[in-house]
Amino acid sequence: GENVEQHPSTLSVQEGDSAVIKCTYSDSASNYFPWYKQELGKRPQLIIDIRSNVGEKKDQRIAVTLNKTAKHFSLHITETQPEDSAVYFCAAAGEGTYKYIFGTGTRLKVLA
Amino acid sequence: DTAVSQTPKYLVTQMGNDKSIKCEQNLGHDTMYWYKQDSKKFLKIMFSYNNKELIINETVPNRFSPKSPDKAHLNLHINSLELGDSAVYFCASSQARTGGNYGYTFGSGTRLTVV
Repeated sequence: GENVEQHPSTLSVQEGDSAVIKCTYSDSASNYFPWYKQELGKRPQLIIDIRSNVGEKKDQRIAVTLNKTAKHFSLHITETQPEDSAVYFCAAAGEGTYKYIFGTGTRLKVLA
Repeated sequence: DTAVSQTPKYLVTQMGNDKSIKCEQNLGHDTMYWYKQDSKKFLKIMFSYNNKELIINETVPNRFSPKSPDKAHLNLHINSLELGDSAVYFCASSQARTGGNYGYTFGSGTRLTVV
């Protein structure tokens, strides 16, 4: 069945360092890959997404890369700040399927 | 204005009771969802409606019944609550349409505790 694996489950970095979270998907029909940030006690919020016709997308300090051949995609956060501390979820969806398969989440801690 | 609103935010109830959670979105989105987030933070889809039509019905006990009176509302009714139903339930909406997927907008969640 459809599956999205996410690693690592926890990640601690020093403020100012970079953080990388990786996801691997199983369904080759997946063509949309969003990333969500969930702060403690709050709702998941979309921070960046990428479609299968694009290899990389950037938005200020965050970027996402996609390797369709290997079926994996990654979130890169540069110059991390304490407010980046949260749980990050990747997801994958096929066109018109309406359903996102979420990864298991990565708890990122940015140490001041 | 809140884009996706859920009520109640907290719900504490005894085993065996029946309860409902309500969700409303004012984004004009066509598709709404219910997700369950367990204690390990895993997000699992339960149901989805597109323009009031049920399109996703995952392996969920039939004690859970969604209802969508119109495309802006999606409610979740749970019968005979069990301890294992304790979780945070998130409603979400998206402008999913043929030809592309769009990100979800989540509600603030309902923390259900069954005692």
